[in-house]
This record gives sequence, C-alpha cells and structure tokens, in this order.
Amino acid sequence: NAGVMQNPRHLVRRRGQEARLRCSPVKGHSHVYWYRQLPEEGLKFMVYLQKENIIDESGMPKERFSAEFPKEGPSILRIQQVVRGDSAAYFCASSRETGALSGNTIYFGEGSWLTVV
Amino acid sequence: KNQVEQSPQSLIILEGKNCTLQCNYTVSPFSNLRWYKQDTGRGPVSLTIMTFSENTKSNGRYTATLDADTKQSSLHITASQLSDSASYICVVSAREYGNKLVFGAGTILRVKS
Repeated sequence: NAGVMQNPRHLVRRRGQEARLRCSPVKGHSHVYWYRQLPEEGLKFMVYLQKENIIDESGMPKERFSAEFPKEGPSILRIQQVVRGDSAAYFCASSRETGALSGNTIYFGEGSWLTVV
Repeated sequence: KNQVEQSPQSLIILEGKNCTLQCNYTVSPFSNLRWYKQDTGRGPVSLTIMTFSENTKSNGRYTATLDADTKQSSLHITASQLSDSASYICVVSAREYGNKLVFGAGTILRVKS
C-alpha cells in the first residue's frame, strides 16, 4: 500500500472510553483522507485534511469525532465516548495532490479495526 | 439509492477461468472511476483509474472498461488465480462530491482450485 502507516491495527475499547487512531501518509503526501467501513458495507468518507487544515469533514459525525493533521506528526482520528456502533474498520488514505478529482492515485493504509465492548 | 451499484454481489469461479464484474453509477458530472482490490482484513489497493475520456485500461490480467454515456464500467479478470480472491470495489468521483470518493459495496470474488 505504498507506505501509508496506520496504528494501532486493532483496538478494543469499552463503551465511554476514547479511541485514538493514527495515520502517517506516504512520504511527500500532504493530503489525508479518513474512511470508515462497517461490516458488509462499502467504505464511507469521513474527512479530508491537508496539513493543519480540515478541508471537508462532511462525512464525520458532528459529535464525539474529531480529526487533525498537524504540521509535524501523523494525522489523528479521535473518537470520544465510544459506543458499540463505532465498531468498524477505519482506513486512512493519502495522495500527493487533490486525489479524488485529479485522478492521482490515492493510497490506502491497512486500516485500524476498532471493537467497542 | 446507492450512487455506485456493483454486481454480482459475490462470485465463485474456478482457477484459470475469466470473469467480469459490473459497476453502474449515477454520480454526475463524472470525473474519474477507479477499481480497487481489497483482500480480507487489508486496505484497498488501486488497480486502475480512468477519466471520462478513457474507454479501457489494463493492469496485467485486469482490464477495466468504461462507457460514460451509459454510466457503466466493468472489470475483466483473465486467467484467474487463487490470489485473485478478494473484494473488488468500484469507486467514482464527481465534482458535485468535491474531494470524496464514492465507493460501491464491492463484489466478493472467490477463486477455487
């Protein structure tokens, strides 16, 4: 997957705890996307970030979810007060330029599997 | 209604056989269409990317076709191998959706020996 690194790969949290998922994009990529995949469903867009900016967060729930992509360090997807319905695979992707419309390849990480018990 | 519909939902074929997966989309105006392969428990891997002006694109044993008039795409896999067993996902982007990729639910392919 061309170097998009996600961790942890698997995370178990009790209801009400916080989940923090990290994503390091491909070296040189400044555009990061987060997607969620529920069992038996397709990937759903959550948020699109560039360095220090949230470009589009229309797919991310307004409450409990937040994302950042600081100048230094990985992108973080944070889920506060997790509920059972948050159990899913969370995929991070990166591209060199605006990937979706430009036709540039968008590379995905291996995903972080969150289980809420 | 899903903007990207894939068929069949699942498919089982014998090793060495060919198969074709279908994708119909309604998003418009259309920018590009991608096919991804997703192994179980892994992230999606890009197979092909086509713009509206391209009719066909190949990547090894994978050949994607696109008919922008009928809004249909297909992914043809030649001489299937056991390692082709995966979910194949059709992904469309359009200006009305900005920077989002719209994913189909995927076709689960199983190649048997």
